[in-house]
Amino acid sequence: GESVGLHLPTLSVQEGDNSIINCAYSNSASDYFIWYKQESGKGPQFIIDIRSNMDKRQGQRVTVLLNKTVKHLSLQIAATQPGDSAVYFCAENRRGATNKLIFGTGTLLAVQP
Amino acid sequence: NAGVMQNPRHLVRRRGQEARLRCSPMKGHSHVYWYRQLPEEGLKFMVYLQKENIIDESGMPKERFSAEFPKEGPSILRIQQVVRGDSAAYFCASSSQQGWDSPLHFGNGTRLTVT
Repeated sequence: GESVGLHLPTLSVQEGDNSIINCAYSNSASDYFIWYKQESGKGPQFIIDIRSNMDKRQGQRVTVLLNKTVKHLSLQIAATQPGDSAVYFCAENRRGATNKLIFGTGTLLAVQP
Repeated sequence: NAGVMQNPRHLVRRRGQEARLRCSPMKGHSHVYWYRQLPEEGLKFMVYLQKENIIDESGMPKERFSAEFPKEGPSILRIQQVVRGDSAAYFCASSSQQGWDSPLHFGNGTRLTVT
């Protein structure tokens, strides 16, 4: 299902620390997951994706972990920088469907200098 | 190397007027998607189009909303007789292929305010 939030969960971290942003998805049939970053006044920006046949994928300073047993997705950001401050969304899709992504509510990451 | 271009960035309409939102996909992309975002919420799928065809409009309200992606020119999302509840950010995304595992590239959106 889709979650609707009245206000965004917020994660506050110190510059240089590692950040972990979590996402629970509801559709066990989902096969493809994406993390997007959205800065104020801008559109979602693709960060990293992972398919259901994997449980971990690494990019530059980011790692996505997928636990299909508990339907949980996380985004790890190493050495968080002020420029990482944004709202982060997970999105899901399932095999064979059109690219009709289902977005989570989002988490606001606030990086303290 | 232009990304997805949307205009206008901001649009103010009075209740009952029409709103037209335009989207030019990334070069070489023939698949366009429209999403709506209310404040502090995630994006909600509205419609998926290919050139001259509506593929999936399951997220579109049944009345007042329409979308097109003509052979030439941008994709248009049209909202007739706008109401205050239509106030939101509308995002367009494009992809180069249809696949369920093709990343979508989003524009910076049009923020519609209905007064």
